Amino acid sequence: DAGVTQSPTHLIKTRGQHVTLRCSPISGHKSVSWYQQVLGQGPQFIFQYYEKEERGRGNFPDRFSARQFPNYSSELNVNALLLGDSALYLCASSWERIMNTEAFFGQGTRLTVV
Amino acid sequence: AQRVTQPEKLLSVFKGAPVELKCNYSYSGSPELFWYVQYSRQRLQLLLRHISRESIKGFTADLNKGETSFHLKKPFAQEEDSAMYYCALGGDYKLSFGAGTTVTVRA
Repeated sequence: DAGVTQSPTHLIKTRGQHVTLRCSPISGHKSVSWYQQVLGQGPQFIFQYYEKEERGRGNFPDRFSARQFPNYSSELNVNALLLGDSALYLCASSWERIMNTEAFFGQGTRLTVV
Repeated sequence: AQRVTQPEKLLSVFKGAPVELKCNYSYSGSPELFWYVQYSRQRLQLLLRHISRESIKGFTADLNKGETSFHLKKPFAQEEDSAMYYCALGGDYKLSFGAGTTVTVRA
């Protein structure tokens, strides 16, 4: 198993554009979470999906949306990009919905908005 | 609300010296605490969690509910311990991370 995989690894977008980030969890994991990490800060929670339903949402605007597919992979979408959306976006998968077990992280997608 | 505080942004120690990374948390429920580590050019990975009460790579962490702390300690730092360390609090559906501490171990 390659672990959690994310694509693309790097992305440059212009303000106002839309972006889709993708994540494939570890086989058997039903929970996928998304985090945003800006320079100098720890990861900030955006969404959790478990069994294809949104189970939790962080303090992010409605421009951020996500979904989980029947194979448990996930997409994070961001509309109307702002310069402040530039960050490393991390995907994490785990066995459980409740975060009392290990979360496995992908390498992240580095998004730059210009 | 879940909140994690790591007061030290940077920590520099000499090889063989003890190292302690501080972490304080705020949570109304029963906390699940973790330490995650990110080595250079690697992904974020779990170092240890309080519930397992084990030592990983010589690191230990004790949950002190009275002081709401979960400090990470190692008696003798090694150069390979140089990394970014994040304390994290597990809640119902999310992990809340501290800002992280960059540890540099000097020869």
